[in-house]
Amino acid sequence: GAGVSQSPSNKVTEKGKDVELRCDPISGHTALYWYRQSLGQGLEFLIYFQGNSAPDKSGLPSDRFSAERTGGSVSTLTIQRTQQEDSAVYLCASSLVAQETQYFGPGTRLLVL
Amino acid sequence: GQQLNQSPQSMFIQEGEDVSMNCTSSSIFNTWLWYKQDPGEGPVLLIALYKAGELTSNGRLTAQFGITRKDSFLNISASIPSDVGIYFCAGQGNSNYQLIWGAGTKLIIKP
Repeated sequence: GAGVSQSPSNKVTEKGKDVELRCDPISGHTALYWYRQSLGQGLEFLIYFQGNSAPDKSGLPSDRFSAERTGGSVSTLTIQRTQQEDSAVYLCASSLVAQETQYFGPGTRLLVL
Repeated sequence: GQQLNQSPQSMFIQEGEDVSMNCTSSSIFNTWLWYKQDPGEGPVLLIALYKAGELTSNGRLTAQFGITRKDSFLNISASIPSDVGIYFCAGQGNSNYQLIWGAGTKLIIKP
C-alpha cells in the first residue's frame, strides 16, 4: 500500500480482556517498530523487528505485551489482561532498513474501561 | 523511558509570527529528527539532521543540529493555520535504531 496502515483505528475494551492490534507496513520495508504514546507524552519504544532477526523486545512494559511479525510483513501487537494504564495510542512504523527514515501509521487508540 | 527535554511545552502565537522550539539531551546523538503530528495521525518527518552543526531548511522550516550533538532547534517562519499540531524532536544513536523522543511542543495559532 501507499503507507503504513493500522487496525482498528479505535478500540474500547474492558479491563481484563485481551486485545490485538494490527500493523501493515509499507511494502518492501524490512524494519517494523511499535511505539506507545500516552496523552501529552512523546513516543515510547516497545518492540522492533528487522527481517528474520530476533526482535528487540526491550521496550515491552510487561509480559502481558507480546508481538509477532508473520512472513516479514504484517505485525500483531497483543495485550493480554488489559489494564486501565494500557490506554494509549499505539503507533506502528516501518523503514526500508534499520536506521532509515521511519514512516508511521495513524495509530490505534486503545481505551481500557 | 528516556526522553529528550523539549521546550516549550506549548505555544500560542498569532498567524504570521515566527516560532522557535528546541530539544536538549544529556546524551550525544548522531541523528536528530523533527516530526509533526496532526490530530488522529501518526508523526510525519519534517527534517532530518545527520551532522553536528548542520543547518537544514524545508520551506519555512529550519532546523539545526547542535555543535555539541546534544541539542537541536526548529524554527518556523511566518506561521500559517496549517502549522498547528504537535512537533516532536527525536534523537538516534549511530549504532542504535531506537529513537528517543521529546514530549512534544503543541503549536496553537490564535485566530
